[in-house]
Amino acid sequence: GAVVSQHPSWVICKSGTSVKIECRSLDFQATTMFWYRQFPKQSLMLMATSNEGSKATYEQGVEKDKFLINHASLTLSTLTVTSAHPEDSSFYICSAPTGIPNTEAFFGQGTRLTVV
Amino acid sequence: AQTVTQSQPEMSVQEAETVTLSCTYDTSESNYYLFWYKQPPSRQMILVIRQEAYKQQNATENRFSVNFQKAAKSFSLKISDSQLGDTAMYFCAFYNTNAGKSTFGDGTTLTVKP
Repeated sequence: GAVVSQHPSWVICKSGTSVKIECRSLDFQATTMFWYRQFPKQSLMLMATSNEGSKATYEQGVEKDKFLINHASLTLSTLTVTSAHPEDSSFYICSAPTGIPNTEAFFGQGTRLTVV
Repeated sequence: AQTVTQSQPEMSVQEAETVTLSCTYDTSESNYYLFWYKQPPSRQMILVIRQEAYKQQNATENRFSVNFQKAAKSFSLKISDSQLGDTAMYFCAFYNTNAGKSTFGDGTTLTVKP
């Protein structure tokens, strides 16, 4: 199956700093990637759709200026959490669709962010 | 907007037994796909099985099969010959073809007991 690599797996940062999470499709090109947030024992909440070559599409209630998304190439999307606060601590997961039609989602390993 | 409901927060099954996880959804869309994903303790999401809404035949993948009832908007997952490695959280997901994105259920935590 297709491989999506997410880095880092975990990160601890201080309040007020920014942290960048990378999501790479290793063996296929992805014009679209998705960023999710997941709280413990809960479902995946879609934050935004990352689009290669254009602006990301954010879900209602997600702060665009806090969660900056850049889809720099057909294999890389990044999520930057700016001015992080403890309430931003969570598990962040990216996914990229592939297949015919372009529906099957392959997920990164996830990033556990802890803001102290 | 679509909603996906998994009514069983937790389930358990004995090793080698069969278990069925339920999922219902609500949509006005006619073109969509349904998925079951598995999230083991490592938290890596893994695709288990996929069903195209336009196909009447239920999808199967080895020990995993679905019961897709389109009129009832039901999409249950049957796991046969349960193995310890099946212990995970299972998510049902609805993919909206028009919107190009998925909606996930709240998940069912399955524990396979030896």
